[in-house]
Amino acid sequence: DGGITQSPKYLFRKEGQNVTLSCEQNLNHDAMYWYRQDPGQGLRLIYYSQIVNDFQKGDIAEGYSVSREKKESFPLTVTSAKKNPTAFYLCASRLSSGNTIYFGEGSWLTVV
Amino acid sequence: GENVEQHPSTLSVQEGDSAVIKCTYSDSASNYFPWYKQELGKGPQLIIDIRSNVGEKKDQRIAVTLNKTAKHFSLHITETQPEDSAVYFCAASQGGSSASKIIFGSGTRLSIRP
Repeated sequence: DGGITQSPKYLFRKEGQNVTLSCEQNLNHDAMYWYRQDPGQGLRLIYYSQIVNDFQKGDIAEGYSVSREKKESFPLTVTSAKKNPTAFYLCASRLSSGNTIYFGEGSWLTVV
Repeated sequence: GENVEQHPSTLSVQEGDSAVIKCTYSDSASNYFPWYKQELGKGPQLIIDIRSNVGEKKDQRIAVTLNKTAKHFSLHITETQPEDSAVYFCAASQGGSSASKIIFGSGTRLSIRP
């Protein structure tokens, strides 16, 4: 089935560790995005990428890093420098000729 | 830049009644307005969208209206059912490459009372 796959669904991180959230899409979409959602809150843009090997910071990029080596993959690394990283992380993608953003099922990150 | 305000933040309606959620936007260049439904622990799903060259769009029990002059758009759900309970987000963007700057509202938690 076509879609956006995020993994893992649940991830626990110890203080001082980097963690990487995976996002893969087989929709042949050009643009990919990472959003953060805190409980009961809206969506905040972390990073986005419109083409391979290029990405731009969103509104809350500090403490996060991304790469876009392949069109279908856009992993997000939450670095140990990130304060309060516990949140629900959403990956999304869009065809460059279209307007609609489609979301994955999300990944829960908890710092323990 | 664009700013999207969404109201109300919570909404409770009796099953079978209608629900209306309203959003306003600030950038007159925005021309694409999607609505998403998010169930607990899942990613948002697109339920309906409208472009600025259209004033209203309907899909079964869901409709969206757009007033470009006033810069506001609304989601209307008729004959509400328990499965309509979720968080709803509106959004605005300029489309094309500028769609990367899609701006979301803060969400409305809709509860349907049996």
